[in-house]
Amino acid sequence: QQQVKQSPQSLIVQKGGISIINCAYENTAFDYFPWYQQFPGKGPALLIAIRPDVSEKKEGRFTISFNKSAKQFSLHIMDSQPGDSATYFCAARGVQGAQKLVFGQGTRLTINP
Amino acid sequence: DVKVTQSSRYLVKRTGEKVFLECVQDMDHENMFWYRQDPGLGLRLIYFSYDVKMKEKGDIPEGYSVSREKKERFSLILESASTNQTSMYLCASSWPGYSGNTIYFGEGSWLTVV
Repeated sequence: QQQVKQSPQSLIVQKGGISIINCAYENTAFDYFPWYQQFPGKGPALLIAIRPDVSEKKEGRFTISFNKSAKQFSLHIMDSQPGDSATYFCAARGVQGAQKLVFGQGTRLTINP
Repeated sequence: DVKVTQSSRYLVKRTGEKVFLECVQDMDHENMFWYRQDPGLGLRLIYFSYDVKMKEKGDIPEGYSVSREKKERFSLILESASTNQTSMYLCASSWPGYSGNTIYFGEGSWLTVV
């Protein structure tokens, strides 16, 4: 049972374009939504995160947009660069218990030069 | 920098073997996790531990057990490896409470069971 659904599974974008990855969740008890970036042969690393009390968070070229009523959030990568080519995972964490994260299925992003 | 070290990066084991995957973190984190990563399925939580000798099952604990005898070390054990356990295994750690929002991952252990 996938509590966080991520799309698309793979994405190809031209250099300089905007990459958009979407996630949807079902559990309204989630209170923290991070995005992780993973390069080949490496573990995932935190990229950017948002809490549901804000609708948008921007860090450099990376922006999370959050729609609480629709239970959806997305990652936008502006001016995409070949170095952004990686696998991206969205995740969500509940308010109770330990710091368990539920992850989406992942998106393999390729930026063509 | 936080460092989560998985000592074995690549392993090939035979069906029925007992397999140990070791993980050490150097940031005195209370929480430690084992995830499994498979294409199209993302990361799925196997077990986690919020203190020494404490453990809780995650979403896919069947066929696995864990051990945490010291705060910095969290081991994943496959009692009798099977081919459907061929996967990449990721260890992670974090601080407890809301201040522990960031979970830090190791570089992964690729396990092939033949």
